[in-house]
Amino acid sequence: DGGITQSPKYLFRKEGQNVTLSCEQNLNHDAMYWYRQDPGQGLRLIYYSHIVNDFQKGDIAEGYSVSREKKESFPLTVTSAQKNPTAFYLCASSHFRGSSGNTIYFGEGSWLTVV
Amino acid sequence: QKEVEQNSGPLSVPEGAIASLNCTYSDRGSQSFFWYRQYSGKSPELIMFIYSNGDKEDGRFTAQLNKASQYVSLLIRDSQPSDSATYLCAAARNQFYFGTGTSLTVIP
Repeated sequence: DGGITQSPKYLFRKEGQNVTLSCEQNLNHDAMYWYRQDPGQGLRLIYYSHIVNDFQKGDIAEGYSVSREKKESFPLTVTSAQKNPTAFYLCASSHFRGSSGNTIYFGEGSWLTVV
Repeated sequence: QKEVEQNSGPLSVPEGAIASLNCTYSDRGSQSFFWYRQYSGKSPELIMFIYSNGDKEDGRFTAQLNKASQYVSLLIRDSQPSDSATYLCAAARNQFYFGTGTSLTVIP
């Protein structure tokens, strides 16, 4: 089945630890995105990538890093520099850019908790 | 000014009634508009998209777009308790912009 797979679904991080969230898509989409959602809040864009080997910072990139070595994969690393990482993380993908005819689809999300 | 604005609600309607959700956007160049439903603790799922002025119907859902007023709405007819969720509006040109969502509760 075509879709976006995020793993792990639940992750616990100790203070000072880096963790990586995986995102894989088989929709042949050019663009991929990472969003953060805090309880009761909207989506905030962390990073996005429109093409392999290129990515751009979103609104809240500090404390996060990404890579885009393959079209299908866009992993997100939450570094120790992110002081308040507990949140719901959503990976998404779309065809190139948000022009007419494109739609953004979401993975099932990953819950990250700092312990 | 936010790119996409929605009334956060909560909006409560009785079962069987019409729920009306509204959204405004600031970029006149926006080309595509989307409505997503998000259940608590789950990821957003696409309900409808609309590109042209006017109405677009899909089952119990109708999306309405008025580009002159920069206004998008979603009507849910015969509302069911299972429609209780947060509804996200999005507008897109070169990038996708999401509203903060409207919480809807359908009361049995």
